[in-house]
Amino acid sequence: DGGITQSPKYLFRKEGQNVTLSCEQNLNHDAMYWYRQDPGQGLRLIYYSQIVNDFQKGDIAEGYSVSREKKESFPLTVTSAQKNPTAFYLCASTSPGRGAIEQYFGPGTRLTVT
Amino acid sequence: ELKVEQNPLFLSMQEGKNYTIYCNYSTTSDRLYWYRQDPGKSLESLFVLLSNGAVKQEGRLMASLDTKARLSTLHITAAVHDLSATYFCAVDIGSGTYKYIFGTGTRLKVLA
Repeated sequence: DGGITQSPKYLFRKEGQNVTLSCEQNLNHDAMYWYRQDPGQGLRLIYYSQIVNDFQKGDIAEGYSVSREKKESFPLTVTSAQKNPTAFYLCASTSPGRGAIEQYFGPGTRLTVT
Repeated sequence: ELKVEQNPLFLSMQEGKNYTIYCNYSTTSDRLYWYRQDPGKSLESLFVLLSNGAVKQEGRLMASLDTKARLSTLHITAAVHDLSATYFCAVDIGSGTYKYIFGTGTRLKVLA
């Protein structure tokens, strides 16, 4: 089955630690995205990548880093510089050039930092 | 700054009633998307609207797009409890860059 996987589903970390969230897709999509969602809020774009080895900052990139070494993978690192990292993180992908312009979302990772 | 605003933010309605959710956006775009999110879950694509005047329907939900007014509506007909969820609209900024901006969301609760 094609889709997007995110792991882990729940993640607990101590303040001051970096943590990496995994996002993998087997949809052969070119573009991938990371969003943050706080309780009762909408989605805010952290980073996006439209092609391998290239990515752009979204609206709230500070304290986060990404890499895009493979088409299928777009991991997100939440660094200790992110002041309030506790949130629900969603990964998405799309492929406008192949007719799939709406975003497909993974199941999400719920990060709690104490 | 591109803004996507939805109203109402919260909607409580009785089963069997009709209602409309509005999505206004501040940039020129002819691509608008509607998503559904159940509590604690991810987003599910509902509709993709690609041109002015586009109308799509699925079950009790119907979405439309007026690019001149920069307005999309999501109409609910004869609501049922299963439609209780949060609904998001999203716009992509175009110009060959598929970067999506999401609305604030409308939390719908359908009362039996």
